[in-house]
Amino acid sequence: QVTLKESGPALVKPTQTLTLTCTFSGFSLSTSGMRVTWIRQPPGKALEWLARIDWDDDKFYSTSLKTRLTISKDTSKNQVVLTVTNIDPVDTATYYCARMGENWAIDYWGQGTLVTVSS
Amino acid sequence: DIQMTQSPSTLSASVGDRVTITCRASQSISVWLAWYQQKPGKAPKLLIYKASSLESGVPSRFSGSGSGTEFTLTISSLQPDDFATYYCQQYNSYSLTFGGGTKVEIK
Repeated sequence: QVTLKESGPALVKPTQTLTLTCTFSGFSLSTSGMRVTWIRQPPGKALEWLARIDWDDDKFYSTSLKTRLTISKDTSKNQVVLTVTNIDPVDTATYYCARMGENWAIDYWGQGTLVTVSS
Repeated sequence: DIQMTQSPSTLSASVGDRVTITCRASQSISVWLAWYQQKPGKAPKLLIYKASSLESGVPSRFSGSGSGTEFTLTISSLQPDDFATYYCQQYNSYSLTFGGGTKVEIK
């Protein structure tokens, strides 16, 4: 049974760095074809893709945010970490981590974690 | 980056109606398109992948079609549980993109 869960601060001050951790089970990110991705959703708005990391440690980022994002994995802990630098109130959103399965679509999602950026 | 445009943004329908949502890509994405359903306060749920493949466990009243730049999601007979927001998403390029969403409301 595949599960993913996001963890991190609920409140962050502007200009700080946000660090989010995705802890997953039911699959291994060392298995060929496995990928974990981060997506966010501002309140009342659409989904926005942020970053992806593959089983072979390839990393991909949103063009508009790539200078502020870093994604990494710890295969032994079944964790993926996303950092967002120079955080701003417009970054207030629910952040989801999710798995991209063998068919490349996002087949399992975490419950999401709401991050509010405010001084 | 590939842009995804969904229409309509809001749709009012009744139980039993046939509903169609359209998604257009700014360039060809072959069949690399997925559809998701999202209810308030919940994570999205995969309905369709590779444009027309039904995800396991999803009711057969949901279907997808299209290729290239134009795609549709059809609900053959709308059920009370289907009132939600639907998103398309392309995965043709390494940079994934979602559509703006279509909210299906009760008429």
